[in-house]
Amino acid sequence: GNSVTQMEGPVTLSEEAFLTINCTYTATGYPSLFWYVQYPGEGLQLLLKATKADDKGSNKGFEATYRKETTSFHLEKGSFQVSDSAVYFCALNRDDKIIFGKGTRLHILP
Amino acid sequence: GAGVSQTPSNKVTEKGKYVELRCDPISGHTALYWYRQSLGQGPEFLIYFQGTGAADDSGLPNDRFFAVRPEGSVSTLKIQRTERGDSAVYLCASSHGLAGGIAFTDTQYFGPGTRLTVL
Repeated sequence: GNSVTQMEGPVTLSEEAFLTINCTYTATGYPSLFWYVQYPGEGLQLLLKATKADDKGSNKGFEATYRKETTSFHLEKGSFQVSDSAVYFCALNRDDKIIFGKGTRLHILP
Repeated sequence: GAGVSQTPSNKVTEKGKYVELRCDPISGHTALYWYRQSLGQGPEFLIYFQGTGAADDSGLPNDRFFAVRPEGSVSTLKIQRTERGDSAVYLCASSHGLAGGIAFTDTQYFGPGTRLTVL
């Protein structure tokens, strides 16, 4: 079946750090891929998405590239702000359902 | 503009009681989704409406759960004979959905959720 596996947290970083949050998926066909973010006390927000192989999604300094050959959609960022502290969810859309990973909690130290 | 809204934001009930959770989608969105998020987990799909009809209810865990969308806008998720295991955050999302057989977008926009606690 369809599933998403992502790096488990929590992850604590300084503002100058570089981070890759790994995400791999299993799906039939060619799903759209997403990263959603959940800031403390807020609802889920779409961070970025990619709809076909080799597409790169980017937003707020985050990037992720749809890699069909490795069935991956890793999230990367080169430097952070304290306001990036949140839970990040990798997800895919198949048959109009979103399948989420378990989430990675990120904590940025000032 | 207004996003997806959900009421109540918090609901505490006793085991065995009936609850209703409401979702107001973004105006003009024809597709509406319900998800359930347990502590420390990602959201899990429950049911999807296209217009007034339930296009996919395969995620509903059992027959105590039911959802309606009678006029193709507001939706209500209904849970009968609540159990402690039903405690979770219930999320609603909406998207543009289908028009003339062509999907405008598959991006879903989420509401803030209703935190349900069953004592």
